[in-house]
Amino acid sequence: DTGVSQDPRHKITKRGQNVTFRCDPISEHNRLYWYRQTLGQGPEFLTYFQNEAQLEKSRLLSDRFSAERPKGSFSTLEIQRTEQGDSAMYLCASSLVRSGDYNEQFFGPGTRLTVL
Amino acid sequence: GQNIDQPTEMTATEGAIVQINCTYQTSGFNGLFWYQQHAGEAPTFLSYNVLDGLEEKGRFSSFLSRSKGYSYLLLKELQMKDSASYLCAALDSNYQLIWGAGTKLIIKP
Repeated sequence: DTGVSQDPRHKITKRGQNVTFRCDPISEHNRLYWYRQTLGQGPEFLTYFQNEAQLEKSRLLSDRFSAERPKGSFSTLEIQRTEQGDSAMYLCASSLVRSGDYNEQFFGPGTRLTVL
Repeated sequence: GQNIDQPTEMTATEGAIVQINCTYQTSGFNGLFWYQQHAGEAPTFLSYNVLDGLEEKGRFSSFLSRSKGYSYLLLKELQMKDSASYLCAALDSNYQLIWGAGTKLIIKP
């Protein structure tokens, strides 16, 4: 399977703990996005990378959230000191963007986070 | 500000046709996407429009009017498996997707 993969698929943690999620994009894609989605809402943009550079981070994202894409391939999203409000589905997507050309974003299956 | 509006929920009958509307306001515009999302699953790509007009793809068609900031997704010959949320998303000047909240489509036999 050459689609976007995410690990873990489900994570249950206690409030105050740190969690880390991983995303492996489609190999030739240069952009990688992280979104958060709650029930009945569309995906909420968190951050994105062009290759290894983090180009934008949502103003809604607190300092407890950090993301990396060290070699321009896989990415990690870490949430420190989790809060109950962090409970959501965390989606990763990748796309291939060239000058003057845009392709759709392909989504991974998501990581469902539950903070108790 | 940037905004996407679409109805929260729609109901239709199996075999019928349904049109899901979407209006958008974005900083710049580089196209309009429709995604399908089944409950508990990730969104999957349905269509992309950047020029005015209708794009047809099997039972699904998508229409765009840039001057009106308006798009619709047309689903024909509805099947029970089409029960899902349909997300409208506009690509802004930074090639960022601005997402609507989704339209939950309920198909009844």
